[in-house]
Amino acid sequence: NAGVTQTPKFRILKIGQSMTLQCAQDMNHNYMYWYRQDPGMGLKLIYYSVGAGITDKGEVPNGYNVSRSTTEDFPLRLELAAPSQTSVYFCASCSRGGSTDTQYFGPGTRLTVL
Amino acid sequence: KQEVTQIPAALSVPEGENLVLNCSFTDSAIYNLQWFRQDPGKGLTSLLLIQSSQREQTSGRLNASLDKSSGRSTLYIAASQPGDSATYLCAVWNSGNTPLVFGKGTRLSVIA
Repeated sequence: NAGVTQTPKFRILKIGQSMTLQCAQDMNHNYMYWYRQDPGMGLKLIYYSVGAGITDKGEVPNGYNVSRSTTEDFPLRLELAAPSQTSVYFCASCSRGGSTDTQYFGPGTRLTVL
Repeated sequence: KQEVTQIPAALSVPEGENLVLNCSFTDSAIYNLQWFRQDPGKGLTSLLLIQSSQREQTSGRLNASLDKSSGRSTLYIAASQPGDSATYLCAVWNSGNTPLVFGKGTRLSVIA
């Protein structure tokens, strides 16, 4: 299993540009999450999904959009990038039920908005 | 609203010491608690998961305990090594479809 994969690893955007951060998992997990991590600020949940076709807002959803058309993929869309969106973005997935509750994280996408 | 606190925010110890990292949470009605490790510039790796019905879990030199009624968990690292240097995060999962709630982590430095 590849686990949770994210692309790209790094990206520099200009203010106002848009982009999509890709996330995929091959563990047939129903739950998927997008977090951002700013230095010294811990992880903040942006959006999450409990299954294909179902998404919900987390703590900091403004400026982002998501979709979940398949179990495997959970892309995060940034519209009109702003410097405040400079951060490291992590995607994660998990299943439910006993020992399979472990949450698996991708390696992250480091985004800079200039 | 569930809140998770980790103390201390940073810790520096000499190699070989046994150490304890602390995690507290405000809502004791949790489904499970997980400890993660994050190396600089990397994603999070799960270390231990404790179900609400369990008191502790062990993996190698790591031992995590859970006292649900008092809203506390500890991660014990025995005979620390420089390779243990990383940020350790605690996260709790309440029942239902709610996401994990993370603490801000403890940044550990083990000095050779």
